[in-house]
Formats: sequence, C-alpha cells, structure tokens
Amino acid sequence: KAGVTQTPRYLIKTRGQQVTLSCSPISGHRSVSWYQQTPGQGLQFLFEYFSETQRNKGNFPGRFSGRQFSNSRSEMNVSTLELGDSALYLCASSQRTGGPGELFFGEGSRLTVL
Amino acid sequence: GEDVEQSLFLSVREGDSSVINCTYTDSSSTYLYWYKQEPGAGLQLLTYIFSNMDMKQDQRLTVLLNKKDKHLSLRIADTQTGDSAIYFCAERPNAGNMLTFGGGTRLMVKP
Repeated sequence: KAGVTQTPRYLIKTRGQQVTLSCSPISGHRSVSWYQQTPGQGLQFLFEYFSETQRNKGNFPGRFSGRQFSNSRSEMNVSTLELGDSALYLCASSQRTGGPGELFFGEGSRLTVL
Repeated sequence: GEDVEQSLFLSVREGDSSVINCTYTDSSSTYLYWYKQEPGAGLQLLTYIFSNMDMKQDQRLTVLLNKKDKHLSLRIADTQTGDSAIYFCAERPNAGNMLTFGGGTRLMVKP
C-alpha cells in the first residue's frame, strides 16, 4: 500500500513568487492536513481538508491557501513568497477527521525562498 | 491554550532504555501521539494513545500517560543506534485532525 506522496520534494523560489505543493494521501484516506516545519517555530498546523471542505485552519496569513479534490488529493498554495516561508511543508493523511485514528505523514516538500 | 513541552536532548548508550518525556496543557485533548523524524525525512508515526488509557505497549515501545499531571512518556527498550532521531509528541482534540506538537527531543544513542 503506497504511503503519502508529496511533490515536489525540493524547490527553490524567489521572493514575491508563488508556489503550489501537492499531497496524495493513502488510498481510502479522506482527510489531508498540512503543517509547516521551521527551526524557529517548529511544527505548526496550517489547515485540514476533509471531503473537499476545509475543516480547520491554523494561524497563518491569507497568503497560505489550500484545496482538496474529489480524489482526496490536496494542494496548498503560498502566494507572494517571503524569506520566512522557507520551510519543510508536511502533509498528513488520515481515514477520517476526528475520533480515533492514525495520521501518516509524507516526506515533505522543502521550500527555499531566496 | 494548547502548549506541548519536551526536553531538547537525551543521550543514552546502546542497549540501555530511553525515556522521552512530554507535558501538555490542553484539558480537552483526547489523543496523544509520538512521531520519529530522521534527518531529511518526514514524520514516522510510532504510536498513539487515547486519553482514557494509562499505558500502551508495542514491541520495544511503551507509552505511559499520567492524566492528572498531563504527562506523557515514551520508553524505548534496548535502544539501538538506529533509534537516533528527533522524537515529537503531539496532542489532538477529538474533533478534527489538528495536531499540536512539542518542540522535539533529539535522542543520541552512543555505541
């Protein structure tokens, strides 16, 4: 059974550009949540999608957005990139939202903003 | 509010037991997770415990939960060099999948 797949694994952008990251959850999983990992702030929750609906949102500016498709694949977008957006972006896949359950993470997309 | 705390660093000798500690503050949290992160990799789920449980054991891993003190621990028996990594605890409320993570404990295993 394939795990959580994130693409691209590495990317370099310049300030002011925008970026789109993709996450394909484990087959049968309908929840995808996104996290940002930086040395200074650690792991912080961005948002969660379940059945194409955003269920929860973390404390990030509106430049960070996401969506989920009918096949449960999710994308997140960051517009007008800033140097501080350099981070490892992780997505987590789960069968359901809430209740008992395991959340499995992908390998992440490492974004460098120059 | 939610706050999860972990000590930064732990060093043990190969073959010894490791105990990684975590405290949390959100009284509404019902699920507590342990993840392992190796350099350059994502998060590997090790185990999770429901807040009405006191203990959970899975092979070399034992999780202990003290609900009164909001203290969670992960014990790794017979620690190996391959266990060297950063370990994160996280809490999650019953509704939704929003995890709140601690800052991570770096475990170093000396041969």
